[in-house]
Amino acid sequence: GAVVSQHPSWVICKSGTSVKIECRSLDFQATTMFWYRQFPKQSLMLMATSNEGSKATYEQGVEKDKFLINHASLTLSTLTVTSAHPEDSSFYICSARMSYGSRPEGYTFGSGTRLTVV
Amino acid sequence: GQQLNQSPQSMFIQEGEDVSMNCTSSSIFNTWLWYKQEPGEGPVLLIALYKAGELTSNGRLTAQFGITRKDSFLNISASIPSDVGIYFCAGQLGQGGKLIFGQGTELSVKP
Repeated sequence: GAVVSQHPSWVICKSGTSVKIECRSLDFQATTMFWYRQFPKQSLMLMATSNEGSKATYEQGVEKDKFLINHASLTLSTLTVTSAHPEDSSFYICSARMSYGSRPEGYTFGSGTRLTVV
Repeated sequence: GQQLNQSPQSMFIQEGEDVSMNCTSSSIFNTWLWYKQEPGEGPVLLIALYKAGELTSNGRLTAQFGITRKDSFLNISASIPSDVGIYFCAGQLGQGGKLIFGQGTELSVKP
């Protein structure tokens, strides 16, 4: 089945530094990748949708200059949290979709990245 | 924006008991989904529902897509300790569209 690898699984960084999270589709080409943020005991909130080769579409209230998304190839999308602050500490999850019109079975989630900013 | 109201927020049950949780929305969804998330992991799809009124099973899990297309429920029969986790409903507005998630139901099962 489709596998999405997310790396790192956890990261601790100092306030003011930037952190890059990678999301790779291992055995399929992902035309679209979604990035979510999840606070403890809360739901997954969609941050942005990225299509390969084009700019990401951000959800309302998500700062595009703070959360930089790059989807340069059909198998890799990255999320960079710039100038991280403690309030950015969260669980970040990516999801990859094989093609537009894919049924939800075609949406595969990564295992998430726990970011802690100290 | 679209919101899904999921209840209950948490459940603490005895092994062997049946469990029921549901989601409602003020919006109509074309697809309803149920996911399970374990600590430190991404969600895993359990059941996908595509038609109003559809009732679908996956082992001990049964889910239904409400007739109004604004609600769905998930039942788990004869719960076991490995059912522990957070269950999320999600709605999809159109084919290929983004998923909107409910708040989650945290399930604890006592052996």
